[in-house]
Amino acid sequence: EAEVAQSPRYKITEKSQAVAFWCDPISGHATLYWYRQILGQGPELLVQFQDESVVDDSQLPKDRFSAERLKGVDSTLKIQPAELGDSAMYLCASSFVNTGELFFGEGSRLTVL
Amino acid sequence: DQQVKQNSPSLSVQEGRISILNCDYTNSMFDYFLWYKKYPAEGPTFLISISSIKDKNEDGRFTVFLNKSAKHLSLHIVPSQPGDSAVYFCAASAGNNNDMRFGAGTRLTVKP
Repeated sequence: EAEVAQSPRYKITEKSQAVAFWCDPISGHATLYWYRQILGQGPELLVQFQDESVVDDSQLPKDRFSAERLKGVDSTLKIQPAELGDSAMYLCASSFVNTGELFFGEGSRLTVL
Repeated sequence: DQQVKQNSPSLSVQEGRISILNCDYTNSMFDYFLWYKKYPAEGPTFLISISSIKDKNEDGRFTVFLNKSAKHLSLHIVPSQPGDSAVYFCAASAGNNNDMRFGAGTRLTVKP
């Protein structure tokens, strides 16, 4: 069964360091999403791609976060510099265009010390 | 701005009984609603969905009800099983825009 792949599963870093997360969506899924989930809350959309184009990044803290999907397939989410409040689960999801169901990866848990 | 709200952080039911999880939304543009289930250390997985043109959708033990006038939906699980113990997220999106908004989740515990 096709899955959304994410790495790393766990990342511990010190504040002010740079971190990066990688996501490989299900083959053929044109839409890719990065969500952040803080413990006890629901996933919050950070950025949405349609192929290689950003559709929505209104919730992305652009002073420290960046995301790219250069060839319209896999994607990287970067945080520089990391802050204590960035500790969360970072979830990648993908979907076919125009369908509502999102397929999530297992997530990357970030702890900033 | 929380457009999707799950006001019950937790719910505990006995095995074999009905579990009812509730969700309210504020954005009248939402027309597609989903429930996701999440186990610890895993990403959410899709469970069931409903379009705004319907008021009920059933899939095995899971039924989702939509009340558009009240901007309310609910997930019924009958009969509940211990394996259903997980966090359940309600989600909603508008049109073909896949910008999906999630509630904070309800942790369901089904006791044997």
